[in-house]
Amino acid sequence: NAGVTQTPKFQVLKTGQSMTLQCAQDMNHEYMSWYRQDPGMGLRLIHYSVGAGITDQGEVPNGYNVSRSTTEDFPLRLLSAAPSQTSVYFCASSKGQRNTEAFFGQGTRLTVV
Amino acid sequence: QQPVQSPQAVILREGEDAVINCSSSKALYSVHWYRQKHGEAPVFLMILLKGGEQKGHEKISASFNEKKQQSSLYLTASQLSYSGTYFCGTDKSSGDKLTFGTGTRLAVRP
Repeated sequence: NAGVTQTPKFQVLKTGQSMTLQCAQDMNHEYMSWYRQDPGMGLRLIHYSVGAGITDQGEVPNGYNVSRSTTEDFPLRLLSAAPSQTSVYFCASSKGQRNTEAFFGQGTRLTVV
Repeated sequence: QQPVQSPQAVILREGEDAVINCSSSKALYSVHWYRQKHGEAPVFLMILLKGGEQKGHEKISASFNEKKQQSSLYLTASQLSYSGTYFCGTDKSSGDKLTFGTGTRLAVRP
């Protein structure tokens, strides 16, 4: 049982480049979300999805796009990378929107130079 | 708006107790607690729902005071394995998003 799988684990980008962080879950969870983690800031919600075809913005959505074409996958796109997007990114999934345990992927450490 | 956690950091000797607090300025529907070890993903500990229900996970328990919009995490007879950063996540009555606090770093020394 793989759970939540994120790829890549590490990435270095140059300012202005674009890339997609992949997230896949095999638990048939409806709810998926993306967080970024910065020192002293905790986990901040970027975007989330309550099911295939439905996405919404979190606390810090600027500079990121998401889509949810299937239940399993929830990719996060950086449109034009900036040094301020250097962070550790976590994808999470849960059975429902509330009152349920969230399962996190192992994270992607992104550095933008 | 992020919930506020206190203290920001705490150092314990093995066997000592600790309390971590989480408070919000808005009405809460539920409070989630997670623990993250260095370099790893956050791991679920427990969820508390409106109603003051107290839950436990090994020697870790928590309470939720909905009137005060606060939750407390109690770590009893701490073990070395308790070291890590503890996050509370709050789910407001009026929304669907889980918002996390900035975390409390806990270090347990032998």
